This record gives sequence, C-alpha cells and structure tokens, in this order.
Amino acid sequence: SQKIEQNSEALNIQEGKTATLTCNYTNYSPAYLQWYRQDPGRGPVFLLLIRENEKEKRKERLKVTFDTTLKQSLFHITASQPADSATYLCALKGYSTLTFGKGTMLLVSP
Amino acid sequence: DTAVSQTPKYLVTQMGNDKSIKCEQNLGHDTMYWYKQDSKKFLKIMFSYNNKELIINETVPNRFSPKSPDKAHLNLHINSLELGDSAVYFCASSQAPGQGLGIQYFGAGTRLSVL
Repeated sequence: SQKIEQNSEALNIQEGKTATLTCNYTNYSPAYLQWYRQDPGRGPVFLLLIRENEKEKRKERLKVTFDTTLKQSLFHITASQPADSATYLCALKGYSTLTFGKGTMLLVSP
Repeated sequence: DTAVSQTPKYLVTQMGNDKSIKCEQNLGHDTMYWYKQDSKKFLKIMFSYNNKELIINETVPNRFSPKSPDKAHLNLHINSLELGDSAVYFCASSQAPGQGLGIQYFGAGTRLSVL
C-alpha cells in the first residue's frame, strides 16, 4: 500500500540554524511533490512544489530536494526564525489526488 | 478577500443531530475538496468535486453527503452525528485534475465537536 512518512516527533532547533525535514514515500510514482505549512487553527498553505525530474528547488530561505531513487524529499529552512515554527506537511500528487503525510512540527527557539 | 471561506468556524452539537458546513471559493477553480483532520493531525481526503461532479469519494460513511450547487460552492451535510465525527474539516480548491500543478488552497477549517 502507498505510504508517506514524516518524522512524527517535533524538531526543535535554535534560531539561525538550518532546519531539515524529511519526507519518505513507498509505492508511489508521484508526478509532483509539494510542501505545505500549517499553523495551529489554520488550513495548510502551499510553499513549494518540485517535479519528479527536478533535483532541487529554492524559494528565498526554503530549499526542497527530491530523490526519486531513494523515494525521499528533504525540506530545508536556512537561517530559521521563531516565526518559522509550524507543522510542515509533504504531499504527493497523483493524477487526481493529493495525499498528505502526517506532518512534522518545527519549533524554532530564540 | 478570503480565497476559500468556510462556515462555521466552530460547531458544537449533540450526538444524533444533523449539521451542515458551507464552503465557497473565489479563485475560479473547477475542483473542490473536503478533508478531515483528526486529533492526530492526519489530513485525509473525503470527497472531491470537479465542476459540480463527484470525482473522489473515499471510504466515508454515507451519513456524509457533499453537495455542489455550482463550481464555486461545496457544502458538506452530516446526518446522525457520532462522537467519532469530532475533527477539523477543511475545504480546499484547485485547478482541475490534469491542469495546473495540483496546488490546493485551503479554508481555515471548521472544528466540529460532537458531545
């Protein structure tokens, strides 16, 4: 069966460091992989998308990598700030559906 | 001007009641979705409509009935509410399957508590 796995434990880092979140999947051949941010009491918000033929994508302090051989995506936030504290969800795009992982909570302390 | 808006934000009700949640999007998207996010924060697709037609119907009790009067609106009606229905329900929209990049835009959620 198809599975998406993200670290269920919260990631605690200090302000200024780089946060790295992992998304692993099995039994998928996704066309795209997306990352969303979810704050408490709010809906997920789209951050970045990477296609299956792309290795890396950047947007400001965010960087996503996609390794279809390892079936893994890494999501990096450089120079992290307390305002980056949130839950980050990866999602895999099939033809008509988007399937979400359970998300990893990131806590950035000052 | 909110892109995807759902009402109400909070819904507290007794077991056995019937309730509805409304959703509207002003993004011009053809496809709308309902998701359920349980206490473990797992976001699970329930239904998807494309241009008023049901295209995804996951294993959901038939007490849940979505209705799309037009492509900008997708409502969710729940009959005979049960304790296990307590969750946050999110509405989302996107371009049609096969078009665009499948990016979804979410509402703020409706927190349903069944007592």
